[in-house]
Amino acid sequence: QLQLQESGPGLLKPSETLTLTCNVSGGSISRGNSYWGWIRQAPGKGLEWIGSISYTGKTYYNPSLMSRVTISVDTSKNQFSLNLFSVTAADTAVYYCARHQDSSGWYYYMDVWGKGSTVTVSS
Amino acid sequence: SYVLTQPPSVSVAPGQTARITCGGYNIGTKSVHWYQQKPGQAPVLVIYYDGDRPSGIPERFSGSNSGNTATLTINRVEAGDEADYFCQVWDSNTDHVSDHVVFGGGTKLTV
Repeated sequence: QLQLQESGPGLLKPSETLTLTCNVSGGSISRGNSYWGWIRQAPGKGLEWIGSISYTGKTYYNPSLMSRVTISVDTSKNQFSLNLFSVTAADTAVYYCARHQDSSGWYYYMDVWGKGSTVTVSS
Repeated sequence: SYVLTQPPSVSVAPGQTARITCGGYNIGTKSVHWYQQKPGQAPVLVIYYDGDRPSGIPERFSGSNSGNTATLTINRVEAGDEADYFCQVWDSNTDHVSDHVVFGGGTKLTV
């Protein structure tokens, strides 16, 4: 059974770079028809999509975060990563990684989620 | 960018039917997915492709999508259904240059 596990620092200072890694186990990240994405949820708020990547490296980003985000994939390690630059308190959230599935390439849904990683930005 | 609108809250008595809406321009032309999130837990997919259920999701959960509104319906609501529910679409253009994931703001279901 496919499982995703986020890892990364729980606490950062303003202006630092957040790096999170999602380790994929129980299946290959190189499976076709899948994208791999990052979603965050600020305390008491809804879900905010950050961006997604295919195993070939094709990326899509939330326009509101695009200037500060890069997502990369390492198929040899079966994992993908998020870099969020110049963090502020507004980036404090639970960060989830998730697999996107769809056979057509037009209607992706997220069928497997990690448990989430809590990130706090504070001086 | 595409916007999905959900009511902030829906309240229903146990055993009754809950309907949670997700509004968007011509959303009927898109494929809508629904997630359930309980406090302190990751979201769980409950409906995909407008009305399909993943394995393990009770038949009490169903979905529909037409015009400008998609609806998640939960029949015979149980206390354990109390959670936040989010709708989602994958907003694509014809050449897949700038595809986006869009979430609704979420609806808190109180039982």
